[in-house]
Amino acid sequence: EPEVTQTPSHQVTQMGQEVILRCVPISNHLYFYWYRQILGQKVEFLVSFYNNEISEKSEIFDDQFSVERPDGSNFTLKIRSTKLEDSAMYFCASTYGSNTGELFFGEGSRLTVL
Amino acid sequence: GQSLEQPSEVTAVEGAIVQINCTYQTSGFYGLSWYQQHDGGAPTFLSYNALDGLEETGRFSSFLSRSDSYGYLLLQELQMKDSASYFCAVRAIKAAGNKLTFGGGTRVLVKP
Repeated sequence: EPEVTQTPSHQVTQMGQEVILRCVPISNHLYFYWYRQILGQKVEFLVSFYNNEISEKSEIFDDQFSVERPDGSNFTLKIRSTKLEDSAMYFCASTYGSNTGELFFGEGSRLTVL
Repeated sequence: GQSLEQPSEVTAVEGAIVQINCTYQTSGFYGLSWYQQHDGGAPTFLSYNALDGLEETGRFSSFLSRSDSYGYLLLQELQMKDSASYFCAVRAIKAAGNKLTFGGGTRVLVKP
């Protein structure tokens, strides 16, 4: 069964460093998302991406964040200069159409900022 | 913006029935989804209601009342493996996006 894959599963970084989290969405999907979840808290929307551009972003997704789909398969989230409060689990998700409530989530990338 | 309210925790015994309520406030409402998340795992899709009424999928059912801005997830014949967090999520349309906004989650603890 097709699945969303994310790398790395866990990354530890120093405050102020740049981090890139990678995702390979399901191949025929057209809508891509990044969510984050601070330990024990709810899943928070960061950004949605469709047709090679951001379709919506949250207040969390400030100038330190960017997303890219550099080729036909990868979807990346970059944090330019990490802060302690960026420590969280980052989930990538994808879906084929807009007329659905089902997102397919990857297993997540745990980011720890020291 | 969107806001969703659901209970923080529910405890029940194996074989019991649990109902998790979710009330929401949003503009551009399209539907209500439910996701299950085990500790350390990814959210996995359970059900989606776009129209009023009950949707049944095996032991799990989901209900929506659009006029009341309310829905619930019903877990029947509880099993130990159902111990997890359950999130309701509102789907709202903005331009070409299809954002889901999640509630705070309900932690379900199933006891023997």
